[in-house]
Amino acid sequence: GAVVSQHPSWVICKSGTSVKIECRSLDFQATTMFWYRQFPKQSLMLMATSNEGSKATYEQGVEKDKFLINHASLTLSTLTVTSAHPEDSSFYICSARVGDGYTFGSGTRLTVV
Amino acid sequence: GNSVTQMEGPVTLSEEAFLTINCTYTATGYPSLFWYVQYPGEGLQLLLKATKADDKGSNKGFEATYRKETTSFHLEKGSVQVSDSAVYFCALRSPVQGAQKLVFGQGTRLTINP
Repeated sequence: GAVVSQHPSWVICKSGTSVKIECRSLDFQATTMFWYRQFPKQSLMLMATSNEGSKATYEQGVEKDKFLINHASLTLSTLTVTSAHPEDSSFYICSARVGDGYTFGSGTRLTVV
Repeated sequence: GNSVTQMEGPVTLSEEAFLTINCTYTATGYPSLFWYVQYPGEGLQLLLKATKADDKGSNKGFEATYRKETTSFHLEKGSVQVSDSAVYFCALRSPVQGAQKLVFGQGTRLTINP
């Protein structure tokens, strides 16, 4: 079936640095990708929707200059957390629309120290 | 706006027990409804779905029926196994044409003891 590979699975970075998270669709073309953030014991919060070749659509309250999303090809979407701070520590998950359904990456645990 | 409310966890059961995880939603019209499961260290996987009222989704012994009158989509399984231990998410997608994003409930952590 359709598989989305997300890397890294975990990352620790220093405050003020930037971190890039990649999601690749391995056996299909992902026209639309979704990026979620999951806080401990809480639900997935949609951050943005990205369509290949166009600018991402951010949800209300999400800083687009802080969470940069690039979807330059049909098999790769990236989320860059710029100038990360401890409050950005979270679990980030990508998802791709596949037909009438969705497939999810395995998530990235970001810890900012 | 659209929202999903799930039964709070964690839920702990013994093997072969009956499982119910409640899910109710708020939405205009007839949204599509989903249950996803997240095993430790893995991404979310679709467990089952229903797209219209009275539809029953089923998979791996799990079932959920789309109840419009009670705006519910409760997940049930007659006899759980240790391997069912995971986090379960109820979700909806708006019926508005072109809508793509999913709205998730808060998730319910299920632990099955042998």
